[in-house]
Amino acid sequence: EVQLVESGGGLVQPGRSLRLSCTASGFTFGDYAMSWVRQAPGKGLEWVGFIRSKSYGGATEYAASVRGRFTMSRDDSKSIAYLQMSSLKTEDTAVYYCARHRDYYGSGMNHWGQGTLVTVSS
Amino acid sequence: DIQMTQSPSSLSASVGDRVTITCRASQSITSYLNWYQQKPGKAPNLLIFAASSLQSGVPSRFSGSGSGTDFTLTISSLQPEDFATYYCQQSYSTPYTFGQGTKLEIK
Repeated sequence: EVQLVESGGGLVQPGRSLRLSCTASGFTFGDYAMSWVRQAPGKGLEWVGFIRSKSYGGATEYAASVRGRFTMSRDDSKSIAYLQMSSLKTEDTAVYYCARHRDYYGSGMNHWGQGTLVTVSS
Repeated sequence: DIQMTQSPSSLSASVGDRVTITCRASQSITSYLNWYQQKPGKAPNLLIFAASSLQSGVPSRFSGSGSGTDFTLTISSLQPEDFATYYCQQSYSTPYTFGQGTKLEIK
């Protein structure tokens, strides 16, 4: 059974950093692209970015709202995807989901974690 | 960026009704369109990928159609568990934008 478990969320002050982890099981993690999607309280879904599988170069792409502040990485040996968030703003407050793409990075996301809440506040 | 516009934003319907939600892209996305269902406090669930392909395990009352800029999600006969918020998302080019969502409520 495919499982994705996010961790690392919490309360953080504006301007500080936080790293989220997404621990995967039940599939060959290295074969799949992984995305991060966030949802501010009471709002819709916002794609944050993705990291391609190594077979597609492992490259990353980001939404404009986080580019230059957020960095995605992956450790295929541990089946973990990371989202390093820096220079956090109050508008980054959201539930952050990691999600696995069906196959390549341009396909839909058919497995999601339960989400982890990040609250940016002084 | 490609803008995705869903209509309606909210919809009231009864069990057994046929419901259609539309999604329009600001430019052609060919068939790179996905539909998700989200229930309160839960992660989204993929229903339809590539505009019209039913994700494994999703009931056949859900169907998708369209290509280019105009897409639809149809639920042929609403069931109580279908009351939720639905999102379209394009995966044609980054950023992979979502529509604003359609909240489907019980009439």
